[in-house]
Amino acid sequence: DAGVTQSPTHLIKTRGQHVTLRCSPISGHKSVSWYQQVLGQGPQFIFQYYEKEERGRGNFPDRFSARQFPNYSSELNVNALLLGDSALYLCASSSASGRAHNEQFFGPGTRLTVL
Amino acid sequence: GENVEQHPSTLSVQEGDSAVIKCTYSDSASNYFPWYKQELGKRPQLIIDIRSNVGEKKDQRIAVTLNKTAKHFSLHITETQPEDSAVYFCAAPVTGNQFYFGTGTSLTVIP
Repeated sequence: DAGVTQSPTHLIKTRGQHVTLRCSPISGHKSVSWYQQVLGQGPQFIFQYYEKEERGRGNFPDRFSARQFPNYSSELNVNALLLGDSALYLCASSSASGRAHNEQFFGPGTRLTVL
Repeated sequence: GENVEQHPSTLSVQEGDSAVIKCTYSDSASNYFPWYKQELGKRPQLIIDIRSNVGEKKDQRIAVTLNKTAKHFSLHITETQPEDSAVYFCAAPVTGNQFYFGTGTSLTVIP
């Protein structure tokens, strides 16, 4: 069984550009969450999607958006990139939604550098 | 606001000693508490989790305790080994489906 996969692994952009990050969850998992991890800090929640609907949104500006496709893969989009958006972006999949939480499995992450 | 506080931020122990990391959470409705280990340059890996209907859970050298009244939970690692050196994060679900992570504890096990 393949785990959570993310692409690309590394990305370099310049300020003002936009970026699209991709995630494929574990087969059978319908929930995907996105996190931003700045060096030296814990992951910060950005979005959660379940069955293609947004179920949670963290404290991030509207420049951040996401969507989930019928096959449960997901994209995270960030517009008008700022230097402070440089971070490791982690995707996590889970079989659960609602209050019955289950283990989240993290992908390897996408390392975004904004110059 | 929502937050998960984690202490200490750094911890050094001699090999064979125990390590304890503590977290507090704010949402009394939270019912699932995972701990993750993250090695340098790698993804967070779940090492143990606990649900609110139990007070303690063990898995070999690792244990987690939960005090729902005080809204805190702790990670205990016994007989530490150098390969336990990593950053450890606690997490708690706060308001719906959002998981909030602690700020991390950098554990160093000295051989």
